[in-house]
Amino acid sequence: SQQGEEDPQALSIQEGENATMNCSYKTSINNLQWYRQNSGRGLVHLILIRSNEREKHSGRLRVTLDTSKKSSSLLITASRAADTASYFCATDGETSGSRLTFGEGTQLTVNP
Amino acid sequence: GAVVSQHPSWVICKSGTSVKIECRSLDFQATTMFWYRQFPKQSLMLMATSNEGSKATYEQGVEKDKFLINHASLTLSTLTVTSAHPEDSSFYICSAAGAVNSPLHFGNGTRLTVT
Repeated sequence: SQQGEEDPQALSIQEGENATMNCSYKTSINNLQWYRQNSGRGLVHLILIRSNEREKHSGRLRVTLDTSKKSSSLLITASRAADTASYFCATDGETSGSRLTFGEGTQLTVNP
Repeated sequence: GAVVSQHPSWVICKSGTSVKIECRSLDFQATTMFWYRQFPKQSLMLMATSNEGSKATYEQGVEKDKFLINHASLTLSTLTVTSAHPEDSSFYICSAAGAVNSPLHFGNGTRLTVT
């Protein structure tokens, strides 16, 4: 079952702008991960944030986690046309091991 | 980095036939693999957890006799869609877990079209 909700469902921005996507979940988690999916392709892992972490950076990506609100955000700075893709958050719980539950995803379009 | 190979990348079959999809971990051993299904513009829905050397664990609502999973080795899991129907047309994705607490690695998916 899907426990994650993401907003917005779709986001269209211009190159150079920042893109922020949000994810909410319902149950306690061990980790929250963000993945990217190009159309018709598999998922590429972007970043993992543990439940005891609040913020994490990787290149142009910044992820925050607020376990009190059961929410996370993914910020992509200085976006590029090549960032156009669907972005999913995924959570794993204390008893689920590697079994991930995915959010509904955000379709990001970066216009050149 | 770790690579998961999924084959075929796309397949078209006729109703009533069976289709086998392979998922291989190329440079690591995966005791656990996961099979997902994704409809257009939707998220991934976990179908089953494939465990090497034992029976797969299916999610609620997924017919185990229709979606046969075999995980015969530490590097290969297969999903067979039996007696395929047009409503089985979808994008099927596998993933594999390497080391404990490491991110999952995903195959590139298989686009199944049943005519």
